[in-house]
Formats: sequence, C-alpha cells, structure tokens
Amino acid sequence: KAGVTQTPRYLIKTRGQQVTLSCSPISGHRSVSWYQQTPGQGLQFLFEYFSETQRNKGNFPGRFSGRQFSNSRSEMNVSTLELGDSALYLCASSLEGLDSTEAFFGQGTRLTVV
Amino acid sequence: AQSVTQLGSHVSVSEGALVLLRCNYSSSVPPYLFWYVQYPNQGLQLLLKYTSAATLVKGINGFEAEFKKSETSFHLTKPSAHMSDAAEYFCAVSPPGGYQKVTFGTGTKLQVIP
Repeated sequence: KAGVTQTPRYLIKTRGQQVTLSCSPISGHRSVSWYQQTPGQGLQFLFEYFSETQRNKGNFPGRFSGRQFSNSRSEMNVSTLELGDSALYLCASSLEGLDSTEAFFGQGTRLTVV
Repeated sequence: AQSVTQLGSHVSVSEGALVLLRCNYSSSVPPYLFWYVQYPNQGLQLLLKYTSAATLVKGINGFEAEFKKSETSFHLTKPSAHMSDAAEYFCAVSPPGGYQKVTFGTGTKLQVIP
C-alpha cells in the first residue's frame, strides 16, 4: 500500500511569507501528527488531527496552524515566516494515534527560509 | 510530564560489534516507549515499542530493547552491527493508551566502522 506522502519535498521561502505543507496519510488512517525537526531542538510536536479535529497541540506560536480534511489529508500552514522556521517538517499517520498503534512517517518537507 | 534522555549524541561501533544506544525516561505514569530510526533525508521508521506487555521487546532488523522500571531505562541493543545500521536513532515516550502526545529524545547518530 502507498505510504505517507508529503508535498512538496523541498521549499524555499522568504521571511514574512506564508507556506502550506501537505500530508496524505496511508489509506484508512485517521490520525495525522506533525513534527518540526531541527538540529538544535530535535523533533518537536506541532499538533495532531483525528477525524478532522485537532486533538493535541504542542507549544508553538499561533503562526503555526493546521487542518484535516474529510479524506484525512492534512495541511499545515505557517504564516509570517521567520528564519528559525527553517526545518524538516514531518508528518506521521496512524489508525488511532501515534502512541497506540504503529505510526508511519513521511519523508518530510524541508523548508528553508531566507 | 514526560521526557526521554538519550545518552550520547554520537556513537561509533565496529562492524560486527554490539550496538548499545541508551535511553532513560521520565514519566508520571507507566509509559509507552518507542525506538525509531531515521536514515538521511528520510522520515522515521518504528523499530519497536513497549506497551506494558513483555519487558523485553524485539523489533525489526535484529534490534531489541528492555524496559527496566527500576532504572527508568529503555536501552536499544543489537548483537552485531551492520554497515546498514548507520543512521540516527530516536527514543520516544508517551502516556499509555488512547491518543497522547509522543515526546522524542534528541537522537543518537550511530556510525558503523568497517
């Protein structure tokens, strides 16, 4: 079966712009989690969506937002980009949630803010 | 609150030698624990997980980990390292059951020397 697909794989944006990243989970998976990965901070949890509802949220500013559609595809949006937002953004899908069942990660979107 | 500490950001072993990657956790409730592996420019792949059943957990690629409550540890081992094991490894923790936020460690990069 197809894995988790994240698009685009690479993105370069300018400070102040906004960006939207997409994640298509494995068919049948209802939970999508988003993580930011940077060399300095490691993997930091952004938020998790389940059946179109945000169930959990990490400690990120309101510039980071997300949503999930009825087909479980998820998008995350970052507004007013800052240099520090440069990172690898990973999404993970699972049936029920990242902890309860096996989660599958996408290859990530590498965002560079210049 | 929950957290994991991975001891050693870089570990080098010779091919064929024992792999030991250390992880200590902190959790106010009995935790679920995970090990993930990340290859360059890839997402994370679940190696194994502990969910309060057997304390010795066997995973993929010959890895295993033992949950030791008295030591609050969940170290990852493999008897004989292969070149293909070179990657970054992440320990993670979550409260048990349901949908909960998973907290990742800062990662350990494993180098395998031929």
